[in-house]
Amino acid sequence: EPEVTQTPSHQVTQMGQEVILRCVPISNHLYFYWYRQILGQKVEFLVSFYNNEISEKSEIFDDQFSVERPDGSNFTLKIRSTKLEDSAMYFCASSEGLVPEAFFGQGTRLTVV
Amino acid sequence: AQKVTQAQTEISVVEKEDVTLDCVYETRDTTYYLFWYKQPPSGELVFLIRRNSFDEQNEISGRYSWNFQKSTSSFNFTITASQVVDSAVYFCALSEWYSGGSNYKLTFGKGTLLTVNP
Repeated sequence: EPEVTQTPSHQVTQMGQEVILRCVPISNHLYFYWYRQILGQKVEFLVSFYNNEISEKSEIFDDQFSVERPDGSNFTLKIRSTKLEDSAMYFCASSEGLVPEAFFGQGTRLTVV
Repeated sequence: AQKVTQAQTEISVVEKEDVTLDCVYETRDTTYYLFWYKQPPSGELVFLIRRNSFDEQNEISGRYSWNFQKSTSSFNFTITASQVVDSAVYFCALSEWYSGGSNYKLTFGKGTLLTVNP
């Protein structure tokens, strides 16, 4: 069964460093998403991406965040200068589009120290 | 704006008990989708079910059943004869079609931690 793959599963970084979280969506999907879950809290929408551009972003997704699809298969989330409060589980999701069945990756746990 | 409320923060039951997880949603759209996800201790989000707003038929899948009532804006989830492996956080989520951004983003509730004790 096709699945969304995220790497790494866990990343530890120092405050102020840049991190890139990687995702390989399901191959025929057209819509891509990043969500964030701070430990013990709900899953929150960060950004959606369609047709090589951001289609919607939340207020959490400020100038420190960026997304891109560099090569037609990977979908990345970059945090330019990490803060302690960026520590969270980051989930990538993808969907075909017309039906909102979002398939989630297993998540990347980001720890900022 | 869409909103999902899961009023039960934690529920603890003994194995074989039935348990119902509540979900109440708010939306201004007539077309929307409702979801339940399971998050076991390992952290991944496991898709359980999707319903669209035009289909109020209740659904049963093994020990799981879902009761969708538009009149009360509720989409409750019942586990029959609970098992220890059902212990997890369960999230209810709502999706509307956001035509301005051309996407179906999900709005999650805060989740209910279900603990099933042997």
